[in-house]
Amino acid sequence: AQTVTQSQPEMSVQEAETVTLSCTYDTSENNYYLFWYKQPPSRQMILVIRQEAYKQQNATENRFSVNFQKAAKSFSLKISDSQLGDTAMYFCAFMKLWDSNYQLIWGAGTKLIIKP
Amino acid sequence: GAGVSQSPSNKVTEKGKDVELRCDPISGHTALYWYRQSLGQGLEFLIYFQGNSAPDKSGLPSDRFSAERTGGSVSTLTIQRTQQEDSAVYLCASSLVFRASGGQETQYFGPGTRLLVL
Repeated sequence: AQTVTQSQPEMSVQEAETVTLSCTYDTSENNYYLFWYKQPPSRQMILVIRQEAYKQQNATENRFSVNFQKAAKSFSLKISDSQLGDTAMYFCAFMKLWDSNYQLIWGAGTKLIIKP
Repeated sequence: GAGVSQSPSNKVTEKGKDVELRCDPISGHTALYWYRQSLGQGLEFLIYFQGNSAPDKSGLPSDRFSAERTGGSVSTLTIQRTQQEDSAVYLCASSLVFRASGGQETQYFGPGTRLLVL
């Protein structure tokens, strides 16, 4: 069975700093997707970034980038030039590719606080 | 529509009553998912619909929970004889699944329904 672990329950950084959120996962699959979702206090779950495991290049979306280490089963999220609006819960999630279930397996989340 | 919508936004009910939660997926999305999120927790998968196929109900916690999807679009999650432990945020998501390639597209979430059972 697949598992996703986020080892940092809470992090706090100053505005404009760079912060990295860690995520590790356990799977025997070779092809899969990985996601980072953000959930602000409004509770809307928003996709931040996704990575296909067969792609070696790390995904980037503006200030957000990932460090995908397939052999180490690590998928960290880096937020550059952090902004107050980045304050939220961040969830890492895993999805098998060729699977009829299509479930997202979720980590427990990291609460990120950006301080002014 | 522009995104996934859910109603009601908040629901307070008494223990033992039935509740219905509604989800309108993104137009054209064939896959629909229900999740439950308890306070301070990650997401717990409940049920999955894909087109006209039989739903995957493997995540439903008890037989008090049921869901249906009419016309391949709107879905309703029903909780019968609610219990206090049912209090949570119920999130719905939809995705466009490419069957031919076997790949799964990204899930897009609604704002959720916060259920409080007194």
